[in-house]
Amino acid sequence: GAGVSQSPSNKVTEKGKDVELRCDPISGHTALYWYRQSLGQGLEFLIYFQGNSAPDKSGLPSDRFSAERTGGSVSTLTIQRTQQEDSAVYLCASSLNMLETQYFGPGTRLLVL
Amino acid sequence: RKEVEQDPGPFNVPEGATVAFNCTYSNSASQSFFWYRQDCRKEPKLLMSVYSSGNEDGRFTAQLNRASQYISLLIRDSKLSDSATYLCVVNKGYSTLTFGKGTMLLVSP
Repeated sequence: GAGVSQSPSNKVTEKGKDVELRCDPISGHTALYWYRQSLGQGLEFLIYFQGNSAPDKSGLPSDRFSAERTGGSVSTLTIQRTQQEDSAVYLCASSLNMLETQYFGPGTRLLVL
Repeated sequence: RKEVEQDPGPFNVPEGATVAFNCTYSNSASQSFFWYRQDCRKEPKLLMSVYSSGNEDGRFTAQLNRASQYISLLIRDSKLSDSATYLCVVNKGYSTLTFGKGTMLLVSP
């Protein structure tokens, strides 16, 4: 079946602009995660959605970052007023529930000039 | 102590060698453990789950030591295609999973 998909695959933007990154999880997966990975670094947890529960936003680095998940499926990560340090690969993952295997999408490579 | 700690490597080994990685975790209440593999510029992919009794999948063996709070991954008969970064993943109690920063393995001819 279809895996996790993300769009766009690459995004180049200018400092100060807003960007939206999209994630389509595997159908039926109730848990959805956003991570970011800077070059040569580990995965940094950003935010987590589980069903209809309030999201765990504890990993968001600043109030410029926000995410929503509509209808328990597609999720959008928004970064407002982008900064150069936001440049990274943004990875989305989904799982059947919060303790099950996470399946990752291919990521969105964001470059802020 | 970091939540999940791994030696970043790189581990340089010749083809056919046996190599082992350890990963320590800080939360004694952790229940779920995994090893993921990440190839350069690719997303992480599940390699194997780690069970209390230990488990084996072909050339790969994973073990859990709860008393010392570490998990291990043993790779036998290394192949060139095993070159990747291996991520240790632990759940934070009843919350989300925490990824280690990974151990890089380079297998040479």
